[in-house]
Amino acid sequence: AQSVAQPEDQVNVAEGNPLTVKCTYSVSGNPYLFWYVQYPNRGLQFLLKYITGDNLVKGSYGFEAEFNKSQTSFHLKKPSALVSDSALYFCAVRGPSNSGYALNFGKGTSLLVTP
Amino acid sequence: DGGITQSPKYLFRKEGQNVTLSCEQNLNHDAMYWYRQDPGQGLRLIYYSQIVNDFQKGDIAEGYSVSREKKESFPLTVTSAQKNPTAFYLCASSTLRQGRKGEQYFGPGTRLTVT
Repeated sequence: AQSVAQPEDQVNVAEGNPLTVKCTYSVSGNPYLFWYVQYPNRGLQFLLKYITGDNLVKGSYGFEAEFNKSQTSFHLKKPSALVSDSALYFCAVRGPSNSGYALNFGKGTSLLVTP
Repeated sequence: DGGITQSPKYLFRKEGQNVTLSCEQNLNHDAMYWYRQDPGQGLRLIYYSQIVNDFQKGDIAEGYSVSREKKESFPLTVTSAQKNPTAFYLCASSTLRQGRKGEQYFGPGTRLTVT
């Protein structure tokens, strides 16, 4: 089964510092990986995806993610955090065709950026 | 203005009543999905549909039903058989074009409270 794990429930970082939100995956075959962000009482917003190609993927709002096959990781990063980045972040892996390509989500990591 | 709409935003019901949540998209996406979100548990798949008049159960379909009579619409009914229906419900859609499968776009969600 395709699955992802987010080992941290919460990440705290000071504004202006770099941030990392961790994600590891377990898949059979090539992984199709995604990052989404959720603000309170809102739907999820797509940030970026990895399908194939460069291991460093750039996405929305200055976020990027690094795909590491040997460590089976797909960590989300940003060089300089903003207070407005505070939100809930979800890592996800795409399921197979017999699941309608539905996404399997991690439990989420709450990011708090303090001024 | 393309996107996914869900209504209502908040819904309150008495135990034992069925309730239907609306989901409409104008993105011309073939696939639509319903997820349930509970605190600390990420998102779990309830039902999905890849084509009109066809839908499949996800991981937690018991106590729920759906229909897909039109490409744009995928309503979810929470029946009285669902033991713990209070949750945040998210609808999503996705194209099934090569290279974009799994890239889902989410509605704003419906928060259902059953007392």
